[in-house]
Amino acid sequence: DQQVKQNSPSLSVQEGRISILNCDYTNSMFDYFLWYKKYPAEGPTFLISISSIKDKNEDGRFTVFLNKSAKHLSLHIVPSQPGDSAVYFCAAKGSNYKLTFGKGTLLTVNP
Amino acid sequence: DAMVIQNPRYQVTQFGKPVTLSCSQTLNHNVMYWYQQKSSQAPKLLFHYYDKDFNNEADTPDNFQSRRPNTSFCFLDIRSPGLGDAAMYLCATSSSLPAYNEQFFGPGTRLTVL
Repeated sequence: DQQVKQNSPSLSVQEGRISILNCDYTNSMFDYFLWYKKYPAEGPTFLISISSIKDKNEDGRFTVFLNKSAKHLSLHIVPSQPGDSAVYFCAAKGSNYKLTFGKGTLLTVNP
Repeated sequence: DAMVIQNPRYQVTQFGKPVTLSCSQTLNHNVMYWYQQKSSQAPKLLFHYYDKDFNNEADTPDNFQSRRPNTSFCFLDIRSPGLGDAAMYLCATSSSLPAYNEQFFGPGTRLTVL
């Protein structure tokens, strides 16, 4: 049973436009959410996170929004750049320190 | 730079031949994790060490074992690899302090089983 779902396997956007990556979760005990970015042949690298007590966290071009009532979070990238092309994983943490990952969304930013 | 290092990056083994993957870290984190990731799938946690305490996930096959001789190093042993064990194996570390929830990943080892 997938507790963290990324329903879009892929997303393609034009350079300069906004990329919106979505993530849904089912476990209401999750209290911390993270986005990781993964290039081919590399390990995931941490991008941005949000605590369940907040609904928005911003870091430069990256903003994560959390809607607890809908159990939904999204990552916004504005403006998108070709170097942002990668697989993006959503992850959630519960009462322990273990992370539960989604399957990832492949973002392609076209020049 | 502080980092998580995995060796080798690519490993080819034969069906049934034991293989060991290694992970080292310079972050001085007390928690170390091993994940298995297959194509288009989420990373799947196999087990983790909290300091010296080993914690196995309930659905991790007995074929997979791990050792952590010290804070810096952690090994993944696959005793009798099957074709289904071909995957990317990711090592990660984190601090157990509540303020730090990120896990830091190594580049992974791609395992091929012939």
